[in-house]
Amino acid sequence: DAKTTQPTSMDCAEGRAANLPCNHSTISGNEYVYWYRQIHSQGPQYIIHGLKNNETNEMASLIITEDRKSSTLILPHATLRDTAVYYCIVRVAKAAGNKLTFGGGTRVLVKP
Amino acid sequence: GAGVSQSPRYKVAKRGQDVALRCDPISGHVSLFWYQQALGQGPEFLTYFQNEAQLDKSGLPSDRFFAERPEGSVSTLKIQRTQQEDSAVYLCASSNISGGNQPQHFGDGTRLSIL
Repeated sequence: DAKTTQPTSMDCAEGRAANLPCNHSTISGNEYVYWYRQIHSQGPQYIIHGLKNNETNEMASLIITEDRKSSTLILPHATLRDTAVYYCIVRVAKAAGNKLTFGGGTRVLVKP
Repeated sequence: GAGVSQSPRYKVAKRGQDVALRCDPISGHVSLFWYQQALGQGPEFLTYFQNEAQLDKSGLPSDRFFAERPEGSVSTLKIQRTQQEDSAVYLCASSNISGGNQPQHFGDGTRLSIL
């Protein structure tokens, strides 16, 4: 699976949009971009994933550049409960055993 | 509950003891994964089951680690002769079909401390 690069940490203001970048310049055509987050003392929580089109769900939006070498996770209205470590993961969709390879993630702190 | 359930939430053991950690996946989920998360690090893959078959155990750090899922539902991760470096959070995840791009759903883990 391709390697991803994320900023180590970032602060966001409560109520404002949070834009989390991720670089995956070596991504292959059959690799998806996944985002998970991990709130303190909890297991990772799935947020969203996409292949090449932008995606939106009730939690967030995922914007993938046309060349697929980077993406941005957007939390439209950050709340204090969005404070967490956010992981960007690139993974091939194959028949079985789709293990996740976590990097260091971005530690996001939402401030009042 | 509808989510992945792990027990116990916390386990303290003395070095050299054996421990068993349990995972109840979401009902009907075919795939089950175990991960290990050291303090301050991201989770690392240990092993993968498709139903009762253990198809990938490449991440198990030593032969002291053993996992099973005999009926294709509940899984147990066993660590024999525990050592201090085994201290970590052990996470279980499941997904609802054997592959494709389905996301994994995680439990809140078992925090293992070896004294």
